[in-house]
Amino acid sequence: DAKTTQPTSMDCAEGRAANLPCNHSTISGNEYVYWYRQIHSQGPQYIIHGLKNNETNEMASLIITEDRKSSTLILPHATLRDTAVYYCIVRVENNFNKFYFGSGTKLNVKP
Amino acid sequence: GAVVSQHPSWVICKSGTSVKIECRSLDFQATTMFWYRQFPKQSLMLMATSNEGSKATYEQGVEKDKFLINHASLTLSTLTVTSAHPEDSSFYICSANEPGMYGYTFGSGTRLTVV
Repeated sequence: DAKTTQPTSMDCAEGRAANLPCNHSTISGNEYVYWYRQIHSQGPQYIIHGLKNNETNEMASLIITEDRKSSTLILPHATLRDTAVYYCIVRVENNFNKFYFGSGTKLNVKP
Repeated sequence: GAVVSQHPSWVICKSGTSVKIECRSLDFQATTMFWYRQFPKQSLMLMATSNEGSKATYEQGVEKDKFLINHASLTLSTLTVTSAHPEDSSFYICSANEPGMYGYTFGSGTRLTVV
């Protein structure tokens, strides 16, 4: 699976949009981009995933560049409960393929 | 949605003893489950893939005789840390994939402290 690069940490004001970038310049055509987050001392939580098109769900939006070499996770109105480590993972879609986690981005939402 | 349950959520054991952690898929069957370990302020590290009805496959550097994995049914995988030592103290997390769904669902984790 392709390697991802994320900033170590980011700050965001409560109520503002949080934009978390991820670089995956070696991504293959059949690899999906997944985002998970881990709140302290809990298991990771699925947020969103996509292949080529931008995606939106009740939690977030995922913007994937046209060349697919990078993506941005957008939390439209961050709250204090969104403080967590956010992981961007690229992976070929297969029931038996593993998820390898990188170092992720620690998002600090501040009042 | 899919739910993966881990038990216990935390455990303290004495050095030299063994401890078993359970991972259950509550509302779906999982032929494959995954076990991760996470040390403080570090990312999740994949330890092994648990396969129902067959042997687990371990990631490079993970001692299979120390971390025994059993996947005896389609809804239960267990991880046994044998002869635990303080350096085995960590956060252990399992995950499973619900057939037909994208991505994996993770359990809430088990905090193991070896004293």
